[in-house]
Amino acid sequence: GAVVSQHPSWVICKSGTSVKIECRSLDFQATTMFWYRQFPKQSLMLMATSNEGSKATYEQGVEKDKFLINHASLTLSTLTVTSAHPEDSSFYICSARGTTGTYEQYFGPGTRLTVT
Amino acid sequence: LAKTTQPISMDSYEGQEVNITCSHNNIATNDYITWYQQFPSQGPRFIIQGYKTKVTNEVASLFIPADRKSSTLSLPRVSLSDTAVYYCLVGDGRGNTPLVFGKGTRLSVIA
Repeated sequence: GAVVSQHPSWVICKSGTSVKIECRSLDFQATTMFWYRQFPKQSLMLMATSNEGSKATYEQGVEKDKFLINHASLTLSTLTVTSAHPEDSSFYICSARGTTGTYEQYFGPGTRLTVT
Repeated sequence: LAKTTQPISMDSYEGQEVNITCSHNNIATNDYITWYQQFPSQGPRFIIQGYKTKVTNEVASLFIPADRKSSTLSLPRVSLSDTAVYYCLVGDGRGNTPLVFGKGTRLSVIA
């Protein structure tokens, strides 16, 4: 079946530094990937839609200059949290849809970010 | 995107059948209904998807009435490992349309 991976699975960084999270579709090509954020005991919140070869579309309230998204190929999207602060600590999850037109979204295992 | 409403939580004993109902009154003609399961600190996992009537796979059944304004996920004979959050989502299936998550239902299975 379709597999989406994320790297790293967890990361700790100091306040003010930047962190890059990778999302890869391992056995299929994904023209569109989505990035979600999830705080403890809460649901997933959509942050942005990442389209291969074009700019990402951000949801209202998400700072595009803080959360940089790059979808440079059909199998890789990256989310960079710039100048991270403790309030950015969260669980970041990506998902991908294939190019065959099926509706199922495949989710990555998530990345736990802790900013100290 | 159609909004969904689910019970916040449910409890069940092992071996029982669990039915989780989701309300989606504003579902559009092109929308499909999809259920995901999420364990703590993991990404959501696809359970089942349907458009109308009944769909069954190896882990669950999905019942959708004719008006499609609600759906029921049925988990047969749950075990402790089914303790998770279950999300009901609706969407039109287009490639660039994201899934928007509601609050989900936290299912606790008790021995």
